[in-house]
Amino acid sequence: AQTVTQSQPEMSVQEAETVTLSCTYDTSESDYYLFWYKQPPSRQMILVIRQEAYKQQNATENRFSVNFQKAAKSFSLKISDSQLGDAAMYFCAYRSRTQGAQKLVFGQGTRLTINP
Amino acid sequence: GAVVSQHPSWVICKSGTSVKIECRSLDFQATTMFWYRQFPKQSLMLMATSNEGSKATYEQGVEKDKFLINHASLTLSTLTVTSAHPEDSSFYICSARTSGNIYNEQFFGPGTRLTVL
Repeated sequence: AQTVTQSQPEMSVQEAETVTLSCTYDTSESDYYLFWYKQPPSRQMILVIRQEAYKQQNATENRFSVNFQKAAKSFSLKISDSQLGDAAMYFCAYRSRTQGAQKLVFGQGTRLTINP
Repeated sequence: GAVVSQHPSWVICKSGTSVKIECRSLDFQATTMFWYRQFPKQSLMLMATSNEGSKATYEQGVEKDKFLINHASLTLSTLTVTSAHPEDSSFYICSARTSGNIYNEQFFGPGTRLTVL
């Protein structure tokens, strides 16, 4: 079974600075997706960024980018120019592209605080 | 993006009663729906997966008779917590997926907070 590990329960960063959230995963598959989701205080889950495992190029979405290291099974999220609205829980997630119901497997989450 | 709604957003009930939570995909057909449970400051725990017109597949440790899931149409799934007890108090989140896009994207509802007195 696949597992996702986020080793940083909490992180904080000064507004306008850059922060990196870590995520590692374990799988025997070669074809899969990785995601970062944001859950603000409203509790609504929001997709931040998606990475397809067969793509070597790291995904980017405006101020959000990932460092995908497939061999190391590492998938970190970098947030540049942090804003107060970035404060939230961030969940790393894995999803198979081939097996069964293709369920999302979530990490434990990292609570990000932005200091003004 | 696609929108998933949940109703109610919060509910308080007495111990022993049953509570139904609705999950609707508003602008797409959801071939698969997922139900999650989230305790405070914890991650999402998948409870069950349902496909339209089929019986739900429950995760290990989730009581089928306690958490009844019905996916009667391509836009509606319901979760009924039967004979609720205080330990069932939690935040319940549904998610819907369509096979109509390249990524089989999964869209989340805003969640329902259940408090059992």
